[in-house]
Amino acid sequence: DAKTTQPTSMDCAEGRAANLPCNHSTISGNEYVYWYRQIHSQGPQYIIHGLKNNETNEMASLIITEDRKSSTLILPHATLRDTAVYYCIVRDYNNNDMRFGAGTRLTVKP
Amino acid sequence: GAGVSQSPSNKVTEKGKDVELRCDPISGHTALYWYRQRLGQGLEFLIYFQGNSAPDKSGLPSDRFSAERTGESVSTLTIQRTQQEDSAVYLCASSREGRGSYEQYFGPGTRLTVT
Repeated sequence: DAKTTQPTSMDCAEGRAANLPCNHSTISGNEYVYWYRQIHSQGPQYIIHGLKNNETNEMASLIITEDRKSSTLILPHATLRDTAVYYCIVRDYNNNDMRFGAGTRLTVKP
Repeated sequence: GAGVSQSPSNKVTEKGKDVELRCDPISGHTALYWYRQRLGQGLEFLIYFQGNSAPDKSGLPSDRFSAERTGESVSTLTIQRTQQEDSAVYLCASSREGRGSYEQYFGPGTRLTVT
């Protein structure tokens, strides 16, 4: 799977949009971009995933650049409960496992 | 509907003892995964089951680790002769199918402490 690069940590003000970047410059054509988050002492929670097109669900939006070498996860109105470690993962269509890196620790502040 | 459940939530064992961890996947999910997460670190893939196919055991760290799954239901992860370095949170996940286009849903994990 392609390696991903994320900032170690980010802060966001409550109620504002949180924009979490991810670089995956070696991504190949059949690799999906996944985002998960892990709140302290809980199992990872699925957020969203996409292949080429931008995606939106009730939790977030995923913006993938046209060359697919980077993406941004957007939490439109961050709340204190969104404080977590956010993982960007690139996963091949045929791969069995999810390769989690260090992620970005997002802290939402009042 | 019900998510992935795991038991026990916490397990403390003495070095050298065997432990068995249980995972109940989401009903109808054919793929099941086990991961390990050491304190402050990312997830390590351990093993993957897909339907009746032979499991992918490529992530098991040693022959002390084994896992079974009956059909498309419960799975158990067994660690024999536990060592202190086995202390970690063991996470189970399931998905509709094993392909990369399907998201995995994780359970709350079992925190194993080997003393």
